[in-house]
Amino acid sequence: EPEVTQTPSHQVTQMGQEVILRCVPISNHLYFYWYRQILGQKVEFLVSFYNNEISEKSEIFDDQFSVERPDGSNFTLKIRSTKLEDSAMYFCASRTGFGNQPQHFGDGTRLSIL
Amino acid sequence: QKEVEQDPGPLSVPEGAIVSLNCTYSNSAFQYFMWYRQYSRKGPELLMYTYSSGNKEDGRFTAQVDKSSKYISLFIRDSQPSDSATYLCAIPKAAGNKLTFGGGTRVLVKP
Repeated sequence: EPEVTQTPSHQVTQMGQEVILRCVPISNHLYFYWYRQILGQKVEFLVSFYNNEISEKSEIFDDQFSVERPDGSNFTLKIRSTKLEDSAMYFCASRTGFGNQPQHFGDGTRLSIL
Repeated sequence: QKEVEQDPGPLSVPEGAIVSLNCTYSNSAFQYFMWYRQYSRKGPELLMYTYSSGNKEDGRFTAQVDKSSKYISLFIRDSQPSDSATYLCAIPKAAGNKLTFGGGTRVLVKP
Protein backbone atom coordinates (compact mmCIF):
# COMPACT_ATOMS: atom_id res chain seq x y z
CA GLU A 1 0.00 0.00 0.00
CA PRO A 2 1.42 3.43 -0.92
CA GLU A 3 2.57 5.53 1.99
CA VAL A 4 3.90 8.94 2.93
CA THR A 5 7.61 8.80 3.71
CA GLN A 6 9.54 11.34 5.78
CA THR A 7 13.25 11.90 6.26
CA PRO A 8 15.16 12.07 8.47
CA SER A 9 13.43 10.18 11.25
CA HIS A 10 15.35 12.21 13.83
CA GLN A 11 17.09 15.55 13.38
CA VAL A 12 19.22 17.20 16.06
CA THR A 13 20.08 20.85 15.43
CA GLN A 14 21.64 23.71 17.32
CA MET A 15 19.34 26.63 18.16
CA GLY A 16 19.47 29.29 15.48
CA GLN A 17 20.33 26.87 12.69
CA GLU A 18 18.20 26.22 9.64
CA VAL A 19 16.59 22.84 9.22
CA ILE A 20 14.78 21.23 6.29
CA LEU A 21 12.36 18.37 6.82
CA ARG A 22 11.56 16.27 3.81
CA CYS A 23 8.46 14.37 2.76
CA VAL A 24 7.50 12.25 -0.21
CA PRO A 25 3.68 12.25 -0.38
CA ILE A 26 1.67 9.46 -1.99
CA SER A 27 2.21 9.78 -5.72
CA ASN A 28 -1.28 10.66 -7.00
CA HIS A 29 -2.12 12.97 -4.13
CA LEU A 30 -2.67 16.67 -4.72
CA TYR A 31 -3.09 18.21 -1.25
CA PHE A 32 -0.18 18.32 1.16
CA TYR A 33 0.03 19.23 4.83
CA TRP A 34 2.42 19.70 7.72
CA TYR A 35 1.43 19.14 11.34
CA ARG A 36 3.44 19.11 14.50
CA GLN A 37 3.06 17.40 17.86
CA ILE A 38 4.94 18.70 20.88
CA LEU A 39 5.59 15.91 23.37
CA GLY A 40 2.43 15.18 25.36
CA GLN A 41 0.30 17.63 23.38
CA LYS A 42 -2.22 17.51 20.54
CA VAL A 43 -1.35 17.17 16.90
CA GLU A 44 -1.52 20.74 15.54
CA PHE A 45 -2.02 21.94 11.99
CA LEU A 46 0.75 24.07 10.50
CA VAL A 47 0.07 24.53 6.79
CA SER A 48 -1.73 23.13 3.77
CA PHE A 49 -0.45 23.30 0.21
CA TYR A 50 -2.26 22.83 -3.09
CA ASN A 51 -1.45 23.69 -6.69
CA ASN A 52 1.99 24.98 -5.70
CA GLU A 53 0.81 27.47 -3.16
CA ILE A 54 -0.16 27.67 0.48
CA SER A 55 -3.93 27.30 0.86
CA GLU A 56 -4.09 27.77 4.62
CA LYS A 57 -1.68 28.29 7.50
CA SER A 58 -1.98 28.47 11.26
CA GLU A 59 -0.70 31.21 13.54
CA ILE A 60 2.19 28.89 14.43
CA PHE A 61 3.40 29.07 10.82
CA ASP A 62 5.16 32.42 11.04
CA ASP A 63 7.89 33.93 8.86
CA GLN A 64 10.42 31.43 10.19
CA PHE A 65 8.61 28.65 8.35
CA SER A 66 8.34 27.97 4.65
CA VAL A 67 7.19 25.09 2.47
CA GLU A 68 8.18 24.08 -1.00
CA ARG A 69 7.47 21.42 -3.56
CA PRO A 70 10.78 21.58 -5.44
CA ASP A 71 9.97 18.76 -7.85
CA GLY A 72 7.17 16.32 -8.66
CA SER A 73 7.72 14.15 -5.62
CA ASN A 74 9.16 16.02 -2.63
CA PHE A 75 7.45 18.38 -0.20
CA THR A 76 9.66 20.20 2.29
CA LEU A 77 9.27 22.23 5.46
CA LYS A 78 12.04 24.70 6.26
CA ILE A 79 12.57 26.38 9.60
CA ARG A 80 14.98 29.27 9.09
CA SER A 81 16.28 29.95 12.58
CA THR A 82 15.25 27.24 14.99
CA LYS A 83 14.18 27.91 18.56
CA LEU A 84 14.08 25.56 21.53
CA GLU A 85 10.26 25.52 21.33
CA ASP A 86 10.41 24.12 17.79
CA SER A 87 11.36 20.76 19.29
CA ALA A 88 8.51 18.43 18.32
CA MET A 89 7.44 15.64 16.00
CA TYR A 90 6.65 16.99 12.55
CA PHE A 91 4.21 15.03 10.43
CA CYS A 92 3.60 15.33 6.73
CA ALA A 93 0.23 14.28 5.30
CA SER A 94 -1.33 14.08 1.87
CA ARG A 95 -4.68 13.37 0.27
CA THR A 96 -6.13 12.95 -3.18
CA GLY A 97 -8.04 15.68 -4.92
CA PHE A 98 -11.19 13.59 -5.18
CA GLY A 99 -14.21 14.23 -3.00
CA ASN A 100 -13.71 14.09 0.73
CA GLN A 101 -10.90 11.56 0.97
CA PRO A 102 -9.02 11.65 4.28
CA GLN A 103 -5.41 12.60 4.91
CA HIS A 104 -2.70 9.98 5.19
CA PHE A 105 0.26 10.64 7.46
CA GLY A 106 3.92 9.77 7.46
CA ASP A 107 5.74 8.53 10.56
CA GLY A 108 7.19 11.93 11.27
CA THR A 109 10.53 13.57 11.91
CA ARG A 110 11.52 14.08 15.50
CA LEU A 111 13.20 17.48 15.68
CA SER A 112 15.37 18.16 18.70
CA ILE A 113 16.74 21.67 19.16
CA LEU A 114 19.72 22.00 21.50
CA GLN B 1 -14.96 25.38 24.92
CA LYS B 2 -12.34 23.39 23.02
CA GLU B 3 -13.23 22.46 19.46
CA VAL B 4 -12.54 18.73 19.83
CA GLU B 5 -12.21 16.94 23.15
CA GLN B 6 -11.31 13.43 24.23
CA ASP B 7 -10.77 11.79 27.57
CA PRO B 8 -6.99 11.21 27.74
CA GLY B 9 -7.31 7.87 29.56
CA PRO B 10 -5.48 5.63 29.95
CA LEU B 11 -8.20 3.09 29.30
CA SER B 12 -7.14 -0.37 30.40
CA VAL B 13 -9.15 -3.42 29.29
CA PRO B 14 -8.58 -7.19 29.24
CA GLU B 15 -7.97 -8.90 25.92
CA GLY B 16 -11.24 -9.71 24.16
CA ALA B 17 -13.19 -6.86 25.74
CA ILE B 18 -14.97 -4.12 23.82
CA VAL B 19 -13.15 -0.80 23.82
CA SER B 20 -15.39 2.27 23.75
CA LEU B 21 -13.86 5.62 22.81
CA ASN B 22 -15.59 8.97 22.61
CA CYS B 23 -15.03 12.42 21.29
CA THR B 24 -17.10 15.60 21.59
CA TYR B 25 -16.97 18.63 19.36
CA SER B 26 -18.32 22.14 19.58
CA ASN B 27 -18.91 23.25 15.99
CA SER B 28 -22.20 22.02 14.53
CA ALA B 29 -20.87 22.78 11.02
CA PHE B 30 -18.49 19.80 11.19
CA GLN B 31 -19.62 17.10 8.78
CA TYR B 32 -16.73 14.64 8.42
CA PHE B 33 -15.22 12.66 11.23
CA MET B 34 -12.10 10.55 11.36
CA TRP B 35 -10.42 8.17 13.74
CA TYR B 36 -6.68 7.63 13.67
CA ARG B 37 -4.55 5.22 15.65
CA GLN B 38 -1.10 6.31 16.78
CA TYR B 39 1.54 3.97 18.10
CA SER B 40 4.40 5.39 20.13
CA ARG B 41 6.81 7.44 17.97
CA LYS B 42 4.75 6.77 14.83
CA GLY B 43 2.45 8.87 12.70
CA PRO B 44 -1.35 8.81 12.90
CA GLU B 45 -2.73 5.86 10.94
CA LEU B 46 -6.21 6.24 9.48
CA LEU B 47 -8.72 3.77 10.89
CA MET B 48 -12.09 5.07 9.77
CA TYR B 49 -13.81 8.12 8.42
CA THR B 50 -17.50 8.89 8.33
CA TYR B 51 -19.88 11.48 7.02
CA SER B 52 -23.27 12.16 8.56
CA SER B 53 -24.90 10.55 11.54
CA GLY B 54 -25.20 6.82 12.06
CA ASN B 55 -22.89 3.83 12.22
CA LYS B 56 -20.11 2.59 9.99
CA GLU B 57 -18.50 -0.79 10.49
CA ASP B 58 -15.12 -2.08 9.28
CA GLY B 59 -14.04 -5.43 10.65
CA ARG B 60 -13.67 -5.14 14.42
CA PHE B 61 -14.15 -1.35 14.33
CA THR B 62 -17.43 0.57 14.43
CA ALA B 63 -17.64 4.34 14.19
CA GLN B 64 -20.76 6.10 15.38
CA VAL B 65 -21.76 9.73 14.84
CA ASP B 66 -24.49 11.60 16.69
CA LYS B 67 -24.61 15.07 15.20
CA SER B 68 -27.50 16.18 17.40
CA SER B 69 -25.30 15.66 20.47
CA LYS B 70 -22.02 16.54 18.71
CA TYR B 71 -20.62 13.23 19.86
CA ILE B 72 -18.65 10.59 17.99
CA SER B 73 -17.63 7.13 19.16
CA LEU B 74 -15.31 4.35 18.13
CA PHE B 75 -15.87 0.78 19.30
CA ILE B 76 -13.26 -1.97 19.02
CA ARG B 77 -14.62 -5.50 19.37
CA ASP B 78 -12.55 -8.47 20.48
CA SER B 79 -9.68 -6.20 21.49
CA GLN B 80 -6.12 -7.48 21.08
CA PRO B 81 -2.87 -6.42 22.77
CA SER B 82 -1.84 -5.03 19.37
CA ASP B 83 -4.72 -2.53 19.71
CA SER B 84 -2.78 -0.85 22.53
CA ALA B 85 -2.17 2.65 21.16
CA THR B 86 -3.46 6.20 21.33
CA TYR B 87 -6.67 6.81 19.42
CA LEU B 88 -7.23 10.25 17.95
CA CYS B 89 -10.44 11.72 16.65
CA ALA B 90 -9.92 14.31 13.95
CA ILE B 91 -12.34 16.62 12.23
CA PRO B 92 -11.79 18.71 9.10
CA LYS B 93 -13.57 22.04 9.05
CA ALA B 94 -14.47 21.44 5.44
CA ALA B 95 -13.51 18.95 2.77
CA GLY B 96 -9.77 19.11 2.24
CA ASN B 97 -9.13 21.56 5.04
CA LYS B 98 -6.96 21.29 8.08
CA LEU B 99 -7.70 18.60 10.62
CA THR B 100 -8.49 19.57 14.20
CA PHE B 101 -7.42 16.75 16.48
CA GLY B 102 -8.59 15.70 19.90
CA GLY B 103 -5.92 15.10 22.48
CA GLY B 104 -6.18 11.32 22.05
CA THR B 105 -7.17 8.49 24.35
CA ARG B 106 -4.47 6.02 25.36
CA VAL B 107 -5.70 2.42 25.32
CA LEU B 108 -3.97 -0.53 26.93
CA VAL B 109 -5.23 -4.04 26.16
CA LYS B 110 -3.85 -6.52 28.66
CA PRO B 111 -3.28 -10.15 27.62
